[in-house]
Amino acid sequence: DVKVTQSSRYLVKRTGEKVFLECVQDMDHENMFWYRQDPGLGLRLIYFSYDVKMKEKGDIPEGYSVSREKKERFSLILESASTNQTSMYLCASSLLGTGGATNEKLFFGSGTQLSVL
Amino acid sequence: GNSVTQMEGPVTLSEEAFLTINCTYTATGYPSLFWYVQYPGEGLQLLLKATKADDKGSNKGFEATYRKETTSFHLEKGSVQVSDSAVYFCALRRSDSWGKFQFGAGTQVVVTP
Repeated sequence: DVKVTQSSRYLVKRTGEKVFLECVQDMDHENMFWYRQDPGLGLRLIYFSYDVKMKEKGDIPEGYSVSREKKERFSLILESASTNQTSMYLCASSLLGTGGATNEKLFFGSGTQLSVL
Repeated sequence: GNSVTQMEGPVTLSEEAFLTINCTYTATGYPSLFWYVQYPGEGLQLLLKATKADDKGSNKGFEATYRKETTSFHLEKGSVQVSDSAVYFCALRRSDSWGKFQFGAGTQVVVTP
């Protein structure tokens, strides 16, 4: 069974802390994504990566950075956590394919509910 | 720009009732369209998709037809079960950036016995 695993289900951090959210996929997918999910807003893309060490900004990258040192792992970093970053964070992956159908199915992890106090 | 609008929830209905969740979109070009479902405590999973106008996606009794003329992709199921209780997201893959999917706000569906 294909799997996207996020390291923590729930996380509580203090304002100003540096926060790492980890995501690992076992499907050998080239593409990985970080979204945040907020009530009434749906999912918004923070960053995505199409290869090791490659990244592109999504729609709301401010206050976040990412790291992809290995193909299977994609980390989201909050350099200095703030209360407005309290949210559900979802990691996803998909197969390579810049224009074809192969990259159209996203596989999601179960999410990390982050609370910043 | 690109956007997806879907009906607000929660939608509450009885088992065996007919379900419709409306979804309309604005986009550049002709995007692929998707419905994802999120069961309690889980991540999203793909329910169905359609890649061009008049395509019908179907899965698990759910159907949606890509209507270019009305820019819509409404989700329907003829007879819902309690196990269909979930949050449903309409989404499109943006043609301006292959990696960017635009999601709607989600519609919670609650099916009672």
